[in-house]
Amino acid sequence: EDKVVQSPLSLVVHEGDTVTLNCSYEVTNFRSLLWYKQEKKAPTFLFMLTSSGIEKKSGRLSSILDKKELFSILNITATQTGDSAIYLCAVGTQGGSEKLVFGKGTKLTVNP
Amino acid sequence: ETGVTQTPRHLVMGMTNKKSLKCEQHLGHNAMYWYKQSAKKPLELMFVYSLEERVENNSVPSRFSPECPNSSHLFLHLHTLQPEDSALYLCASSQDYSTDTQYFGPGTRLTVL
Repeated sequence: EDKVVQSPLSLVVHEGDTVTLNCSYEVTNFRSLLWYKQEKKAPTFLFMLTSSGIEKKSGRLSSILDKKELFSILNITATQTGDSAIYLCAVGTQGGSEKLVFGKGTKLTVNP
Repeated sequence: ETGVTQTPRHLVMGMTNKKSLKCEQHLGHNAMYWYKQSAKKPLELMFVYSLEERVENNSVPSRFSPECPNSSHLFLHLHTLQPEDSALYLCASSQDYSTDTQYFGPGTRLTVL
């Protein structure tokens, strides 16, 4: 059974801290790994990773994939209260059943 | 705004009611999805439509009935639901079925009494 596990499940930090969110996966026929940010309702797309070792960066957020160890991390530097959200990791599979398998998410709270 | 809209945003219904959720995408995408998000559980994929044909049905009870009249619209018809069906129902779309980047609507918060 395809599985995506995120850790920690929740995290509370102060503004200015740096955080690292983890996502490990066990899927057959891996195609891609995606990170989403979910604030109130709709998840919004952050990154899609398909190759190992290549960092994707967007402002204070960055992410990297390790296809050998089957995990990805999402880093947020100099956190702000607006970064408070649930961060979802999803793995895309290919083959007979192409789909996204989601983790439970990490709830990040950034306090002022 | 992601280009995917959902109505209604909130819905309260009794177990004997029939209601429908609507999703519309303005992105010119060919694939649309229904997800269920329950508290403390991962997003669960319910249905996938590609070019108006259902391509995936993940063991969803028949009290949930999807309809895709065209590539821009997706409905989820609800009938004789159970209280455990209360959840956030999210619609998403992607360029094609094989494209992983999905754009989500705001969701419908459903409460079944």
